[in-house]
Amino acid sequence: DVKVTQSSRYLVKRTGEKVFLECVQDMDHENMFWYRQDPGLGLRLIYFSYDVKMKEKGDIPEGYSVSREKKERFSLILESASTNQTSMYLCASSLIEGHNEKLFFGSGTQLSVL
Amino acid sequence: TQLLEQSPQFLSIQEGENLTVYCNSSSVFSSLQWYRQEPGEGPVLLVTVVTGGEVKKLKRLTFQFGDARKDSSLHITAAQPGDTGLYLCAGAPPLDYQLIWGAGTKLIIKP
Repeated sequence: DVKVTQSSRYLVKRTGEKVFLECVQDMDHENMFWYRQDPGLGLRLIYFSYDVKMKEKGDIPEGYSVSREKKERFSLILESASTNQTSMYLCASSLIEGHNEKLFFGSGTQLSVL
Repeated sequence: TQLLEQSPQFLSIQEGENLTVYCNSSSVFSSLQWYRQEPGEGPVLLVTVVTGGEVKKLKRLTFQFGDARKDSSLHITAAQPGDTGLYLCAGAPPLDYQLIWGAGTKLIIKP
């Protein structure tokens, strides 16, 4: 089975801190994603990557950056955390089957910024 | 901008009842996926529908893709407490690589 592992289930940080969220997948998938999930808003794409050292902005990249130095690892960075970044963060990797992309998600990191 | 509207946003019913969740858009999708997310976990893919009018069954869950590929429904027969969760639909726009997500339907099945 595909396993996507997020390093922390819960994080509490202070405003202005630099925050690193780590994600590792074990199925050699090329595509990886970072989403945030807020009640009533569904999943919103922050950044994605289709290859090592490659990144693309999603719908809400402001205040975030990413790093993909190795194929299996995709990191999300909050350069200076703010209270409006309190949210559930979900990492995913994907498998392309025919014309369909199947996403596999980690368990999420609930980040609280105080 | 393509949007996917899910309804209802919240549904609480008794065990054994039937229910339907809807996912609607004014735009065409090349495929549509349904995910279920349990508390404290990430979403898990249930099904992908591709062809207009397609019906797929997964035990007591029936998924249908609209003929025009603009909408989809999820019907659960004889709901059980284990069906409790957040149901999300996600559409793949033609010629685009980013999924469009619905806001989700929070389903609670009471014993």
